[in-house]
Amino acid sequence: NAGVTQTPKFQVLKTGQSMTLQCAQDMNHEYMSWYRQDPGMGLRLIHYSVGAGITDQGEVPNGYNVSRSTTEDFPLRLLSAAPSQTSVYFCASSYSPGAATGELFFGEGSRLTVL
Amino acid sequence: AQSVTQLDSHVSVSEGTPVLLRCNYSSSYSPSLFWYVQHPNKGLQLLLKYTSAATLVKGINGFEAEFKKSETSFHLTKPSAHMSDAAEYFCVVATLYNFNKFYFGSGTKLNVKP
Repeated sequence: NAGVTQTPKFQVLKTGQSMTLQCAQDMNHEYMSWYRQDPGMGLRLIHYSVGAGITDQGEVPNGYNVSRSTTEDFPLRLLSAAPSQTSVYFCASSYSPGAATGELFFGEGSRLTVL
Repeated sequence: AQSVTQLDSHVSVSEGTPVLLRCNYSSSYSPSLFWYVQHPNKGLQLLLKYTSAATLVKGINGFEAEFKKSETSFHLTKPSAHMSDAAEYFCVVATLYNFNKFYFGSGTKLNVKP
């Protein structure tokens, strides 16, 4: 009963380094998304996908890339990390993006620090 | 455009007293509204949702919320707080025309005193 699995849970990077946050779900959900959570700002959508091969930008996409080659996986790439990307990142998936259930299933988060 | 305003960043109540967490929304289209809860160092969990059916929505753990279109509000209530309710709560809006994007409020931290 894994649900949404994010790795790593914690990561420290130096400015300019690259890394990938992994997200996998085993619920056969078409919709997957990445959010960042910063104090006092709630969650802000970075990128989302409505199926394999289809991605789109959210509110704060700059500095992040995504791809969706399979239904299960939706990795988030930081090509050149900046201190402003220090945040907690959440991956969320949904069977139907809102209309049918409205329920997003969240991973437990990945805490990223950029020095 | 869609947005959500949570009117209180922190709410503190005593165990056994009522809880009221306030949310106002803005939406160009008929909204769907949700409340999510986040316990410390955890992901978010759906509490309840409104999707144009009954305006009074009941959720898990005794929480409920009422959709008031005239006031553009979707306040979360619970008759009697438990210690386990201490968490951060997020009000979320999406619209029928673009369910691909959910817009989160800034969150309300609920503290429950013994």
